[in-house]
Amino acid sequence: KNQVEQSPQSLIILEGKNCTLQCNYTVSPFSNLRWYKQDTGRGPVSLTIMTFSENTKSNGRYTATLDADTKQSSLHITASQLSDSASYICVVSASNAGNMLTFGGGTRLMVKP
Amino acid sequence: KAGVTQTPRYLIKTRGQQVTLSCSPISGHRSVSWYQQTPGQGLQFLFEYFSETQRNKGNFPGRFSGRQFSNSRSEMNVSTLELGDSALYLCASSGGTDRRAPLHFGNGTRLTVT
Repeated sequence: KNQVEQSPQSLIILEGKNCTLQCNYTVSPFSNLRWYKQDTGRGPVSLTIMTFSENTKSNGRYTATLDADTKQSSLHITASQLSDSASYICVVSASNAGNMLTFGGGTRLMVKP
Repeated sequence: KAGVTQTPRYLIKTRGQQVTLSCSPISGHRSVSWYQQTPGQGLQFLFEYFSETQRNKGNFPGRFSGRQFSNSRSEMNVSTLELGDSALYLCASSGGTDRRAPLHFGNGTRLTVT
């Protein structure tokens, strides 16, 4: 069964600090891995998309890494801001499933001043 | 360019009723997919439509159905509502031909079943 596990479930950090969120998956055959940011009451917004051959991708202060051998990904947030407070969702697509995605449970990040 | 628009934003229905949710994709996008988000189960895929045809379907009962019109707008219908159907329903659009293309989500319809 395809699964995506994220850790930690929640995280509190101080403004200006860095943090790393983790994602482990068992989706097969692998197509791509996406990180989304979801603010409360709004739909998810795409941060990065990585295919099998990509092991790092950045979007501003967000840097995602992918290790397809160990089936792990991380999202690193640099110099956090209050606006980074949101849920971060890891999503994995199987290559035989079109747009049918497997979602992780998300990490709820709170950045405090 | 306008984003994905979902209507209504909030709905309150009674158990046993049916409901129809609407989604207007980004102009030019031909794929529309629907998702259910609950605190307990997180985001779960319902189904995807591409050029008026259902291309993929998640593991939900037949009470959940959808359709797509020739202008790519999509509707989702839930019949015989149950309390457990209370959730945020999100739709997303994409061009539909590139599996690596990002999905653009609407802000969802919050359905409460009493």
